[in-house]
Amino acid sequence: DAGVIQSPRHEVTEMGQEVTLRCKPISGHNSLFWYRQTMMRGLELLIYFNNNVPIDDSGMPEDRFSAKMPNASFSTLKIQPSEPRDSAVYFCASSFRAGPGLAGTDTQYFGPGTRLTVL
Amino acid sequence: QKEVEQNSGPLSVPEGAIASLNCTYSDRVSQSFFWYRQYSGKSPELIMSIYSNGDKEDGRFTAQLNKASQYVSLLIRDSQPSDSATYLCAVKSFNAGNNRKLIWGLGTSLAVNP
Repeated sequence: DAGVIQSPRHEVTEMGQEVTLRCKPISGHNSLFWYRQTMMRGLELLIYFNNNVPIDDSGMPEDRFSAKMPNASFSTLKIQPSEPRDSAVYFCASSFRAGPGLAGTDTQYFGPGTRLTVL
Repeated sequence: QKEVEQNSGPLSVPEGAIASLNCTYSDRVSQSFFWYRQYSGKSPELIMSIYSNGDKEDGRFTAQLNKASQYVSLLIRDSQPSDSATYLCAVKSFNAGNNRKLIWGLGTSLAVNP
């Protein structure tokens, strides 16, 4: 069974350009998380979705960042315009729980990540 | 104030020894606790989850939870060089409804020396 799929794996772009990161969660999972990881700040949650609906976007740095989940099998994270300080590894993760107190766990399964470099 | 704290390390142990990794958390009503391992350049992968006070063993790994003292630890017995990685502690706080958010520590770097 395929795990979480992310693309591209590496992205090098110039400041001011638009960057779009893509994620396909594990089939059947109903929660999707976007993280950013840097040496200084560790793993930071940017936004997460339950059943395709954004629940908590308090970690989104600023209006330059946006995320969408048009269906259960696809999500995008967009940065426009990109800046050098956005350089990081961006992870997508998914999990499943039927509902509060119901089947499933809070275990998150991570994709391989996208290493973004903004010059 | 950080909500989940870990010693950044590096923690260095000889091969075959027991490695002990610790994590403290600030939210007293936290209910789910996770240890993830992350190799350099790779994504985090789940090692252990624990939900109740006490010990939980899985092979060479033992997770220990003490909710009264608000700490969770991970013991790795018979440490191998392949255990060298960063270990991330993650905590889910109690929240009615549909919350799925985990709070993450910055990780402890472990080096197992042959």
